[in-house]
Amino acid sequence: KQEVTQIPAALSVPEGENLVLNCSFTDSAIYNLQWFRQDPGKGLTSLLLIQSSQREQTSGRLNASLDKSSGRSTLYIAASQPGDSATYLCAVRGVAGGTSYGKLTFGQGTILTVHP
Amino acid sequence: NAGVMQNPRHLVRRRGQEARLRCSPMKGHSHVYWYRQLPEEGLKFMVYLQKENIIDESGMPKERFSAEFPKEGPSILRIQQVVRGDSAAYFCASSKRGSETQYFGPGTRLLVL
Repeated sequence: KQEVTQIPAALSVPEGENLVLNCSFTDSAIYNLQWFRQDPGKGLTSLLLIQSSQREQTSGRLNASLDKSSGRSTLYIAASQPGDSATYLCAVRGVAGGTSYGKLTFGQGTILTVHP
Repeated sequence: NAGVMQNPRHLVRRRGQEARLRCSPMKGHSHVYWYRQLPEEGLKFMVYLQKENIIDESGMPKERFSAEFPKEGPSILRIQQVVRGDSAAYFCASSKRGSETQYFGPGTRLLVL
């Protein structure tokens, strides 16, 4: 059964800092991994999706890496801003033919606060 | 292209009543997924549906919960005889095919009094 863990559970940083959020998963047979952002009381916004054959993806100040063999992904946020404050969720999708194909297994999330 | 629509956004029910949550997928998407986010917990998969078919319901509670995605109209998540423990945010996602990116709706916040 796939399990996803995110560390740290919460992080508070001053504006301008570079930071790293960590995600680990127990079953390396994944189809892809996705990072989401969730604002309080809102839905999920997809930030980056990394296919299992890829090592990293970049979008603006965000960079996500994937090491499938070790079951780890990191989300790097450069030059953080107060508007980055949100909960960041990591989710993995299982491979076709597996029991978890199609569905996403989420981590508990990292609550990020960027203070001015 | 409108995103995934869910309604109602907020729903209040008394214990024992029924709750019906609706999800309209993005245009052209025929795969729908339901997830539940309990207070202080992560998002948990509930069910994966295609038009008129349940593909994976391994995350659905055995009793009181059911889901459908008819040929016409939205997907419905139905909770019978709600209890306080059903209070949660219920999110729907859709994709064109099972292998593609899932796009999430804004969620329905269910409160059971």
